[in-house]
Amino acid sequence: EAGVTQFPSHSVIEKGQTVTLRCDPISGHDNLYWYRRVMGKEIKFLLHFVKESKQDESGMPNNRFLAERTGGTYSTLKVQPAELEDSGVYFCASSQKAWTGRLEQYFGPGTRLTVT
Amino acid sequence: AQSVTQLDSHVSVSEGTPVLLRCNYSSSYSPSLFWYVQHPNKGLQLLLKYTSAATLVKGINGFEAEFKKSETSFHLTKPSAHMSDAAEYFCVVTANQAGTALIFGKGTTLSVSS
Repeated sequence: EAGVTQFPSHSVIEKGQTVTLRCDPISGHDNLYWYRRVMGKEIKFLLHFVKESKQDESGMPNNRFLAERTGGTYSTLKVQPAELEDSGVYFCASSQKAWTGRLEQYFGPGTRLTVT
Repeated sequence: AQSVTQLDSHVSVSEGTPVLLRCNYSSSYSPSLFWYVQHPNKGLQLLLKYTSAATLVKGINGFEAEFKKSETSFHLTKPSAHMSDAAEYFCVVTANQAGTALIFGKGTTLSVSS
């Protein structure tokens, strides 16, 4: 079974540009999450999808960030326009339906974003 | 409110000696707790989880953790360190009772010397 995949693995952009990160969850996982770790800080929750619906977006830092999950499969996270403080590693995770009792979130390798 | 504190940012051990990574948590309800590990240039891997069953939880690669409610701790241990254990370890608590959003500790970097 393939794990969570993220693309690209690295991205270097200039301040003011737009970047789109992609996440493909484990097949059959309804729940998809985005997290990020900025330099020197802890990993922080950004948002949670259940299928194509945003269940919780309380961690999104501001309206320059837009997440979508069309069709309930893969998800994209767009940053527009990017700022220097957006640099960090963006992780995606997925988990099965909550009613199965399995709360484990399986993480992808992350996308390292550098804004210069 | 939910929170988690990893008491050491760096831990250094010699190969073959025991490992102890300390974690304290705060929770307004019975929490789920996890330990994740990240090896260099790799993704986060789940080591073990506690979800209100047995208080002593065994994970992969010989790691285990004990949930102690009276001490609000969930320390990670391994009897004998291996060079391949060198990585960053994260103690994690669920942010809500649904078990969706996770709250991460700041991480503990484990170094293992020969």
